[in-house]
Amino acid sequence: QVQLQESGPGLVKPSQTLSLTCTVSGGSISSGSYYWSWIRQPAGKGLEWIGRIYTSGSTNYNPSLKSRVTISVDTSKNQFSLKLSSVTAADTAVYYCARDLSGSYYHDDYYYYYYMDVWGKGTTVTVSS
Amino acid sequence: QSVLTQPPSVSGAPGQRVTISCTGSSSNIGAGYDVHWYQQLPGTAPKLLIYGNSNRPSGVPDRFSGSKSGTSASLAITGLQAEDEADYYCQSYDSSLSGSGLYVFGTGTKVTVL
Repeated sequence: QVQLQESGPGLVKPSQTLSLTCTVSGGSISSGSYYWSWIRQPAGKGLEWIGRIYTSGSTNYNPSLKSRVTISVDTSKNQFSLKLSSVTAADTAVYYCARDLSGSYYHDDYYYYYYMDVWGKGTTVTVSS
Repeated sequence: QSVLTQPPSVSGAPGQRVTISCTGSSSNIGAGYDVHWYQQLPGTAPKLLIYGNSNRPSGVPDRFSGSKSGTSASLAITGLQAEDEADYYCQSYDSSLSGSGLYVFGTGTKVTVL
């Protein structure tokens, strides 16, 4: 059973770069047609998708964060990582990593699915001086 | 940045049926993108509850059911139990920005068991 675990500094200074790593256990990050996503949730608020990566290195980012986000993958370590630059207090949140499935099917018409089926427990990152 | 609208809260007595709506638009739910639902118990990570509009992952009780029609979707909980008290989020995909889509979540609904 695949499990994900986020790790990284819990406190980041304003204007610096937030760096988090997600370690995948119980299976290879390269097996299956999975993407790997990052999602965040400010305290008391809703969920925001940050971006995703395929093991080939192909990435997709939330347009609102694209200029500051980099997601990378290290298949040898079964890990993928998030870097968010020029952080402010607005970036304070619980950050989750997740396994991501996406694809399409035909049923009288074409339909598409994008969702996260396995989530890490999350890690809290506070941006403060 | 939520483009999917949910009621802030719903409540019901144990054993009752409650429903949560998720309203989108022609660039997400109405564009052929499936809707998925997550349950977030207090202090924990979201958990996949319904995928592909109406499918339950293994281990999810059949008290939970989902449906989709047009630009909206809904989650129903029948036989409400105390352990169902949680936040629920719908999620889909939005393609309104040319050349750049994104995963979108609903505003979230808190279910209270009276």
